[in-house]
Amino acid sequence: GENVEQHPSTLSVQEGDSAVIKCTYSDSASNYFPWYKQELGKRPQLIIDIRSNVGEKKDQRIAVTLNKTAKHFSLHITETQPEDSAVYFCAASIGGGSYIPTFGRGTSLIVHP
Amino acid sequence: DGGITQSPKYLFRKEGQNVTLSCEQNLNHDAMYWYRQDPGQGLRLIYYSQIVNDFQKGDIAEGYSVSREKKESFPLTVTSAQKNPTAFYLCASSENRGGSASGRAVEEQYFGPGTRLTVT
Repeated sequence: GENVEQHPSTLSVQEGDSAVIKCTYSDSASNYFPWYKQELGKRPQLIIDIRSNVGEKKDQRIAVTLNKTAKHFSLHITETQPEDSAVYFCAASIGGGSYIPTFGRGTSLIVHP
Repeated sequence: DGGITQSPKYLFRKEGQNVTLSCEQNLNHDAMYWYRQDPGQGLRLIYYSQIVNDFQKGDIAEGYSVSREKKESFPLTVTSAQKNPTAFYLCASSENRGGSASGRAVEEQYFGPGTRLTVT
């Protein structure tokens, strides 16, 4: 089955800096890659996603890049703010197939004011 | 926060007792999922159901059971056979089939608020 590795497990940055979280996946059939944000005490929510036919997607201060050949994808957050502090999960799934996502272990992002 | 609910928010049980966690959704989603979240472990899939009256084991199904008698409901029972049941449990749902009327990805998982189970 699919295996998703996520790094780093903890990331500490100063407000205004950029943050990058990286994930690798093992199943070349995976074609849908979402990122979820879970604030303390709250439920995970989708913040951005990308499909395998696209190399990059942006939404304001966040972006996701995908390298299908290397089987890795990354979340980029620019101009970080304290409210970006949360746990971020990447996932991979086969859209149009089972749809069952495999999640990474999560990255705890801490943005210091 | 509407759409998918879980109850109760906190649950305490004695060892050896079975306990059932509730999950309800009014999103008309076909698929529903149960995850267990432990610190540093991410989201691990317990069971999932892609259609009423059908469900499949996930990666850590031992000691758990589910039912899917109605599209809206997917309760999870934590049995006394689960060796380490204390955890945070998250339920989720997704459209999965066909095109999304909302324009969002059909694979997007909508999570409930979670139930924190403590077994002593």
